[in-house]
Amino acid sequence: ELKVEQNPLFLSMQEGKNYTIYCNYSTTSDRLYWYRQDPGKSLESLFVLLSNGAVKQEGRLMASLDTKARLSTLHITAAVHDLSATYFCAVDMIIQGAQKLVFGQGTRLTINP
Amino acid sequence: NAGVTQTPKFRVLKTGQSMTLLCAQDMNHEYMYWYRQDPGMGLRLIHYSVGEGTTAKGEVPDGYNVSRLKKQNFLLGLESAAPSQTSVYFCASRAWADSNQPQHFGDGTRLSIL
Repeated sequence: ELKVEQNPLFLSMQEGKNYTIYCNYSTTSDRLYWYRQDPGKSLESLFVLLSNGAVKQEGRLMASLDTKARLSTLHITAAVHDLSATYFCAVDMIIQGAQKLVFGQGTRLTINP
Repeated sequence: NAGVTQTPKFRVLKTGQSMTLLCAQDMNHEYMYWYRQDPGMGLRLIHYSVGEGTTAKGEVPDGYNVSRLKKQNFLLGLESAAPSQTSVYFCASRAWADSNQPQHFGDGTRLSIL
């Protein structure tokens, strides 16, 4: 069964702290995406990770991909309130001959002053 | 740039009623997708299309039908709405099968079935 699992599902942290969200997946894939969703809004693409060892950074967020371990991480450095949102990882998979995304459950991040 | 546009944005239906959700994209993308989002479950794929005139079932297709008569439009139909279909529905598009670009999402349709 194809699974994408995020950990933790809920995260409450203080401004200025560092933390990491983990995304594990159960089958081979070389492409993984991270999205952000604000309450009541659509999904916004944050990072596209296309190969083993890929690392992307944007501001206080950094994402990495280890295809051998089937693991991606989203690291938050010195968190600020504006980063409060739900973060989804999604793995690109070939299912029944077509390319599809399989999403994790999402990590709801709350950053407190 | 419109990107992916969904209509309507909100709708309340009674059990047994039917309706159609419209998704339109102006990026000339080949692939289009319909997802539903429920609390704690991420996004689940309902149906998808790999090109004009083609559709296929996703993870949770029961109770829904789709059509892709024009490349830019992907319609999701509920023939007889049920309370279990209360959800937020997202449409997404993608350029082509091997594209490294992420899927582009619409703003969602919030649907309540009473």
